[in-house]
Amino acid sequence: QSALTQPPSASGSPGQSVTISCTGTSSDIGTYNSVSWYQQHPGKAPKLMIYEVTKRPSGVPDRFSGSKSGNTASLTVSGLQAEDEADYYCSAYAGSKNFVFGTGTTVAVL
Amino acid sequence: EVQLVESGGGLVQPGGSLRLSCAASGFTFSTYWMHWVRQAPGKGLVWVSRISNDGSTTFYADSLKGRFTISRDNAKNTLYLQMNSLRADDTAVYYCGRHWGSGFDPWGQGTLVTVSS
Repeated sequence: QSALTQPPSASGSPGQSVTISCTGTSSDIGTYNSVSWYQQHPGKAPKLMIYEVTKRPSGVPDRFSGSKSGNTASLTVSGLQAEDEADYYCSAYAGSKNFVFGTGTTVAVL
Repeated sequence: EVQLVESGGGLVQPGGSLRLSCAASGFTFSTYWMHWVRQAPGKGLVWVSRISNDGSTTFYADSLKGRFTISRDNAKNTLYLQMNSLRADDTAVYYCGRHWGSGFDPWGQGTLVTVSS
């Protein structure tokens, strides 16, 4: 199972929005509404930010939102803040009982 | 507080074995599927394995089948990963995670496994 494709980097100024894409195939993102997004700060464990494409766990700010169209999912961070600077990974259920992660995107707050 | 704490990582020679543990607290461990995910130094996340809440069903990444075994002891609220025939490319931080919706939440702090002679 190949990794989902994400852009290596994205950036925005404080208060702006940034959108990260996650491209899979018709065998994973295109078939299942099982896309999740994680935030990982350096040296820390990943943190779940979005699950089931659009849902936010308790405690995650509503500045974070998710969507999906066809084989591509997206994470949008609105009103960028300095603490949003981190690596972001998508994941999806890929059938055959397996999961797959994206290649990761480093978000910089300029 | 829902918490996962991994242990058991360390330095092991190529071809060696290691068993990782993940101690769960703050939730009813026996009702959740659990996962292992790894991250090589400076690289991305890779899903490794998952196990059903009662331990009867397991799945593995295709590249790992036959070398790694996931298991759990619900009486001890502990998840395990037995790793055999370790190779240099198994060097990574290994995280355990609770299945939540379509994702994993929370994650443990991770335990580093280094395979080197």
